Amino acid sequence: ETGVTQTPRHLVMGMTNKKSLKCEQHLGHNAMYWYKQSAKKPLELMFVYNFKEQTENNSVPSRFSPECPNSSHLFLHLHTLQPEDSALYLCASSQGAASGGFGGELFFGEGSRLTVL
Amino acid sequence: DAKTTQPTSMDCAEGRAANLPCNHSTISGNEYVYWYRQIHSQGPQYIIHGLKNNETNEMASLIITEDRKSSTLILPHATLRDTAVYYCIVRETTGFQKLVFGTGTRLLVSP
Repeated sequence: ETGVTQTPRHLVMGMTNKKSLKCEQHLGHNAMYWYKQSAKKPLELMFVYNFKEQTENNSVPSRFSPECPNSSHLFLHLHTLQPEDSALYLCASSQGAASGGFGGELFFGEGSRLTVL
Repeated sequence: DAKTTQPTSMDCAEGRAANLPCNHSTISGNEYVYWYRQIHSQGPQYIIHGLKNNETNEMASLIITEDRKSSTLILPHATLRDTAVYYCIVRETTGFQKLVFGTGTRLLVSP
């Protein structure tokens, strides 16, 4: 138990569906992250939020839409995905910082395994 | 881009020490060395990090060479549950400390 909970753990969706992944952290952190891990590829950073503000968008297609309503919750809204978007989506959290210089140790959730048909 | 080089895979007998090497020849003075591991189908788990000095915690020891161009993660008594992919990552000490994962070393601990 890392203190970072992701739901659902498994999701199968069609290319025309709209779904959302949810992440919740109980660690009192202020920075949250989405990573993507495709089969046989390294983890790729997608988005970073620091104190609810998006600070990093790693050239992610607009069919992925993140939302961070507060420092404890992070969503990834999915729409019109492609089969190549099938992957393990990992959420992480860490200490944030009011003015840069944040990161430290990241605590990861178990991931949401997405299959796009 | 990942700034580290690690062997693709390693084997270790249960109960023996596992020594996982990492080369980071372009590391700069303001970059830490971090180690994470990822057990199959789980999220990565933080193990240890260091800047110059050797470090030890309840999970592992980290040995960093004097020129800081390489390091070794040591699991003193490997167990079957230590079978995982181990990632060596360098990251800055200031600013946004992005974690860039490479392909890591797949460690297989056998009975």
